[in-house]
Amino acid sequence: DTEVTQTPKHLVMGMTNKKSLKCEQHMGHRAMYWYKQKAKKPPELMFVYSYEKLSINESVPSRFSPECPNSSLLNLHLHALQPEDSALYLCASSQDPGTAGLYEQYFGPGTRLTVT
Amino acid sequence: AQSVAQPEDQVNVAEGNPLTVKCTYSVSGNPYLFWYVQYPNRGLQFLLKYITGDNLVKGSYGFEAEFNKSQTSFHLKKPSALVSDSALYFCAVRDMEYGNKLVFGAGTILRVKS
Repeated sequence: DTEVTQTPKHLVMGMTNKKSLKCEQHMGHRAMYWYKQKAKKPPELMFVYSYEKLSINESVPSRFSPECPNSSLLNLHLHALQPEDSALYLCASSQDPGTAGLYEQYFGPGTRLTVT
Repeated sequence: AQSVAQPEDQVNVAEGNPLTVKCTYSVSGNPYLFWYVQYPNRGLQFLLKYITGDNLVKGSYGFEAEFNKSQTSFHLKKPSALVSDSALYFCAVRDMEYGNKLVFGAGTILRVKS
């Protein structure tokens, strides 16, 4: 099973709402990632978890809060977002929790977020 | 700092013709290079990677890429394009400081016309 699943597929939220994005993988990968992607642009890395610990935070605003409850799950909690946060949010996982960079990342289909 | 460049925003090719999507890289040390494809409203799919060894790498869906150290290039190729190959293609390189972090190129839209 080489699948990364993400829920929901679409999300519309107001600027005062609190919502969460969920990601799951059952490939035994110990590195998980959150990306933000605008239309026709490359993904922008937000967070990396290695062995369930936050290893990279790309200076993401605190209105985005990641959580890794266990090795298969990754959440992204959203609060007080701005319209410019509207984007496709992608989750990914890979075998490589360290610094070797040998392994490819497997991406989920994404959550299309619209902030109104 | 590591970087990859995809010099073409868009590549147009007729179905059945060979296709090339270009990528050049700039890294200190040995590059680990990747190609991903993204179909509309989908996540990225891994196509192939170069880590070491044979300079010609074969990947999914009939794609291949040639690593050229002297030209610092890693162009994606396919002998015969299909309309279904139309998508957004990203080249990426491993970040040398944080190995499991990828540095992506800007992307190239491939349009295959029948």
